[in-house]
Formats: sequence, structure tokens, C-alpha cells
Amino acid sequence: DTAVSQTPKYLVTQMGNDKSIKCEQNLGHDTMYWYKQDSKKFLKIMFSYNNKELIINETVPNRFSPKSPDKAHLNLHINSLELGDSAVYFCASSRGGHFSDTQYFGPGTRLTVL
Amino acid sequence: DAKTTQPPSMDCAEGRAANLPCNHSTISGNEYVYWYRQIHSQGPQYIIHGLKNNETNEMASLIITEDRKSSTLILPHATLRDTAVYYCIVRASGGGADGLTFGKGTHLIIQP
Repeated sequence: DTAVSQTPKYLVTQMGNDKSIKCEQNLGHDTMYWYKQDSKKFLKIMFSYNNKELIINETVPNRFSPKSPDKAHLNLHINSLELGDSAVYFCASSRGGHFSDTQYFGPGTRLTVL
Repeated sequence: DAKTTQPPSMDCAEGRAANLPCNHSTISGNEYVYWYRQIHSQGPQYIIHGLKNNETNEMASLIITEDRKSSTLILPHATLRDTAVYYCIVRASGGGADGLTFGKGTHLIIQP
């Protein structure tokens, strides 16, 4: 069974559209994350979320919003897509507290904005 | 998080031990050394972590110098599937709630 899964794997869309990427983890973890990897391969944290707290990287535009219907899911909604949003987006999860640095990543979603 | 320095790339022959260095001269007493890798087109994968003692698991060994200012990740018998970018990350325990900070890493190429 896949520990952290994301859908879709590839997403091609037009500028200005609104899209969502789904993430699910079956590890029983209570903290989930979204990372962005740009064309230069730099991997940067966007959000971390557990049932108590959302931590947002201050560089993330408010067009991006995480939504968690339950502890096992953290979806990423993106409004008014821009060309610069093209990247690979990775979801991850971890146990909390002392174990939060051991993170398990999904396979990624490659977003292309035309 | 303490700053880390890694060589941008390294080659290693298949079947030999791959030794990946990482400098973290500003590491604090409560900061751990973590290693992740990213195989092409895949998500990052946790490898190992340690505080001051050497650590070993099924994937690798981690050797941390006595002054903790540098460390070496050892893949004992490298295979072609170990070709990846390896990231050394230093952070305090439990600091991951605000996400991991990935640098440029070392691109390890295993040669047949």
C-alpha cells in the first residue's frame, strides 16, 4: 500500500483557472505538509498542518490554500493559476513532536500552467 | 537551522562504498543531522538521522565527527538505483513542524 499518495500525477491547465491537488496518507500521521519544487530543483516548504495549527511559509501567495477534510487528507487548492506556479508539488506527512523531522513524501504532482 | 555545505556532485563505482560528506560547522547542541535523498522524478526519501553517535540502518550509516561539525553518509555497497540527489539537513528535534529546509544537495552518480 502506498504510504503517501497524490492525485493527479500530472496536471496541465490554462492561466487563470482554479485547480486542486489531493493528498492522502495511510500512516496514521497527524502532521501533513506541502512542498514546491521549481524548475531549478529547489524544494521549499509551503505549508505544514495538523489538527491544531496551520503554519504558512510567508512567501506563499494567498491564492494557495490547504484544506484538510480529515487527519488523513490535505488537499491543495490553487486559485487564478499563473505561469510561475508551474512546478512539482509534493505532499508529505510525519508524526508530531520529536518525530516531525522524519517525513514521508508522496510521488509528486507535476503542474504545468499554459 | 544550521547551514550545511555539500559538494555539488560525486561519482562512485557500483558495488563500492559511497561516502557523502556534509559540513555543518555552526551546528548547535540540540540539532540533529538528517539525510534525505531524491531519486529522479520521485519524492524525497528519508535515509537516516543522528545527534552525536554513529548510526546505522538498513539503508546507510551515518558517521558524525566528535566535534559534530561534519558528518559522512555511507552507502556501503552502492547500486545504480542509489543514483540520486542527497540532502544533508540540520535542525533541532521536533522542528519539522514548520517544514524541512532543503539545500542544493549532492548529486551522486553511481557508475556501472
